[in-house]
Amino acid sequence: NAGVTQTPKFQVLKTGQSMTLQCAQDMNHNSMYWYRQDPGMGLRLIYYSASEGTTDKGEVPNGYNVSRLNKREFSLRLESAAPSQTSVYFCASRTQYTNTEAFFGQGTRLTVV
Amino acid sequence: KQEVTQIPAALSVPEGENLVLNCSFTDSAIYNLQWFRQDPGKGLTSLLLIQSSQREQTSGRLNASLDKSSGRSTLYIAASQPGDSATYLCAVRAGGTSYGKLTFGQGTILTVHP
Repeated sequence: NAGVTQTPKFQVLKTGQSMTLQCAQDMNHNSMYWYRQDPGMGLRLIYYSASEGTTDKGEVPNGYNVSRLNKREFSLRLESAAPSQTSVYFCASRTQYTNTEAFFGQGTRLTVV
Repeated sequence: KQEVTQIPAALSVPEGENLVLNCSFTDSAIYNLQWFRQDPGKGLTSLLLIQSSQREQTSGRLNASLDKSSGRSTLYIAASQPGDSATYLCAVRAGGTSYGKLTFGQGTILTVHP
């Protein structure tokens, strides 16, 4: 049981380049999330998808877009990367039931130079 | 806006010691609180999930308590071991139509030395 899988694990981009971070879960979860983790800031929510076909902005959505491709997959796209987007990105998922725990992927470490 | 604070930011203890990590939150209208462990360069591993109606939850040497009315949770680690060294994060899930969004504290970096 793989849980939540993120690709790639590491990436270096030049300013202005674009890329897509991939996330897939095999737990049949309805809800999926993208967070970024920065020193001194903790984890902050970028976007989330409550269910297949829906997406909503979180706390820090500027500069990002998302796609809920199907129930398993939720991708995060940087259209024009900026150094401020250097961070560790985590994908998470959970069921639709009220009091269940969230499961996290291993993270993508992104550096924008 | 929900804010989560963890104290202390860092803790260093000798092996075998019992220890307590603290987490406080500003809005008591939560569904649950989750404690995570994060090893350097790794993802988050869920340790304990405590519902808003519960007072405590236990798993092995770990015990989490929740006092929703005062906005506090503690994670108690008994008989600490060097393998417990990691960053511990608490996160609260807000009530209402928040669709499971978590608000995180900044973590406590724990070092257990032999």
